[in-house]
Amino acid sequence: EVQLVQSGAEVKKPGESLKISCEASGYSFTSYWIGWVRQMPGKGLEWMGIIYPGDSETRYGPSFEGQVTILADKAINTAYLQWSSLKASDSAMYYCARRSSGSGPFDVWGQGTTVTVSS
Amino acid sequence: DIQMTQSPSTLSASVGDRVTITCRASQSISNWLAWFQQKAGKAPKLLIYQASSLESGVPSRFSGSGSGTEFTLTISSLQPDDFATYYCQRYNSYSGTFGQGTKVEIK
Repeated sequence: EVQLVQSGAEVKKPGESLKISCEASGYSFTSYWIGWVRQMPGKGLEWMGIIYPGDSETRYGPSFEGQVTILADKAINTAYLQWSSLKASDSAMYYCARRSSGSGPFDVWGQGTTVTVSS
Repeated sequence: DIQMTQSPSTLSASVGDRVTITCRASQSISNWLAWFQQKAGKAPKLLIYQASSLESGVPSRFSGSGSGTEFTLTISSLQPDDFATYYCQRYNSYSGTFGQGTKVEIK
């Protein structure tokens, strides 16, 4: 079964760093792009960026370039979303998702990771 | 950047109704358009890709149409399980803008 399992909920203070994870199983991790999607409380979906674990090529959405870092470790089939200095406005649900073959849409999604940033 | 606009934002309907949601792109995106369903507290689920192709396992009451700048998602006979929020998404190799969502509520 193709599956993406995300790390658990996080509660952090402004200015702290954070890395959340997304572990893939059931398919060739290095052959599919993985992306991250933000959903702020009560709001819609926002495309943050994608990474190709095979060669770590990465692309970011305009609103997220320079704000987050997307990484992948192909040795352990895991993608990451990383912040160096969190802000209260980073509080949201974050989903990882696999892009279907080629340039397709996200066809498999993780369960989501809630990030709360509060002093 | 290409903007995606859905209408309506909220839709009230009854079980058995035919429901149509529209998504407009600010410029042509050919048929690189997907539709997702999201239920409260859950991850989105892919319903339609390439504007009109039904994802495996998705009931045939869901259908998509359109190309260029105007697209529609139709639910032919609304079922209790279909009350949710629906998002369109324009996608290509390196980006994937979502519409703002349409919430389908019980009338």
